[in-house]
Amino acid sequence: NAGVTQTPKFRILKIGQSMTLQCTQDMNHNYMYWYRQDPGMGLKLIYYSVGAGITDKGEVPNGYNVSRSTTEDFPLRLELAAPSQTSVYFCASSSTPYREGSGNTIYFGEGSWLTVV
Amino acid sequence: DAKTTQPPSMDCAEGRAANLPCNHSTISGNEYVYWYRQIHSQGPQYIIHGLKNNETNEMASLIITEDRKSSTLILPHATLRDTAVYYCIVRVEGYSTLTFGKGTMLLVSP
Repeated sequence: NAGVTQTPKFRILKIGQSMTLQCTQDMNHNYMYWYRQDPGMGLKLIYYSVGAGITDKGEVPNGYNVSRSTTEDFPLRLELAAPSQTSVYFCASSSTPYREGSGNTIYFGEGSWLTVV
Repeated sequence: DAKTTQPPSMDCAEGRAANLPCNHSTISGNEYVYWYRQIHSQGPQYIIHGLKNNETNEMASLIITEDRKSSTLILPHATLRDTAVYYCIVRVEGYSTLTFGKGTMLLVSP
């Protein structure tokens, strides 16, 4: 069971460089998310997607872009990296919502550690 | 803004029950209470969730007050591996995003 897979696990970027964090899930989930977690803080939602071709901004979208061309993949693009983007990034997915009387759980990848210097 | 309030840290002796409180006084009728935990350097892990009835699974029990304004996660026999940050989250009806606050750092000691 692969679940949610993120790559790379670690990356160091120079200021102004660009990169893409890859995320793929094999559970056929419609919903996918990108979070960032700064040291000692909770997770903040960057972007999310409710299905292929549909994306929406979360709490902290500035400096990032996403695309969702397939159900499985949800890459996160950093353009012109800045030191403020040094963080741990988590990709997650969940099944199609909402059925009366049930909730749904969200599954996380293992995280990508990004340092911008 | 997170819709829940949790103590920043708690201690528990190994083998004893860990009771982690959470206040969610503005919860609405169709919102569920979820608990996740995050062990150092790992992604968050689902523990349990509930709407209004108490719930139990192999990991923990969830006690929700009758007015649904607060809940308690119970780890019945805490082990050292339960040391983690525990997040209490209220799920917004209609879409699946979850808002994470700072959580409670639970330290289980020998």
